[in-house]
Amino acid sequence: NAGVTQTPKFQVLKTGQSMTLQCAQDMNHNSMYWYRQDPGMGLRLIYYSASEGTTDKGEVPNGYNVSRLNKREFSLRLESAAPSQTSVYFCASTALRGYTFGSGTRLTVV
Amino acid sequence: LAKTTQPISMDSYEGQEVNITCSHNNIATNDYITWYQQFPSQGPRFIIQGYKTKVTNEVASLFIPADRKSSTLSLPRVSLSDTAVYYCLVGDMDSSYKLIFGSGTRLLVRP
Repeated sequence: NAGVTQTPKFQVLKTGQSMTLQCAQDMNHNSMYWYRQDPGMGLRLIYYSASEGTTDKGEVPNGYNVSRLNKREFSLRLESAAPSQTSVYFCASTALRGYTFGSGTRLTVV
Repeated sequence: LAKTTQPISMDSYEGQEVNITCSHNNIATNDYITWYQQFPSQGPRFIIQGYKTKVTNEVASLFIPADRKSSTLSLPRVSLSDTAVYYCLVGDMDSSYKLIFGSGTRLLVRP
């Protein structure tokens, strides 16, 4: 089925470790996004990529880096994980009629 | 980016019509209004989108007054499976737009 695929679905990291969250979409969308959602809260935009080759900061970019590898893939990297980055991370892509979200990555930093 | 205000929570019973109102006083001329639904442990799902007047699809209706400073999502005859968080967002339809999510409205449908 067409959509947004995120890997991994779950991850536990120790403080200071690094990891990359992967996201791929097969809908030929230009724009892709990374959000985080803390328990009981709305989604907060971390970074977005309006088109291949461009990336911009969102509301909460500190502690993260992104790479728009090609039109399909948009990765999120935590260079030195902190407990405050424990959250559910959602990737999304969009055409003109609304976002399509992935199923999320549940990240715990201990 | 226009900011939205919605009720934090709402309760309803199965079979009732539910109306969730969203305020967006600073909506810009190019902004569209979009509603999303989110179940626990899932990403948000697009429900409906509109620019003005009324839009209806198979799951909901969206009412937008002439001044566009508010909008109302209407869910006809809700069921238990409609229990979710509903987000109202406004944003430019240009391909580079990004949406800022508020806290949403937590709808609880009771038997």
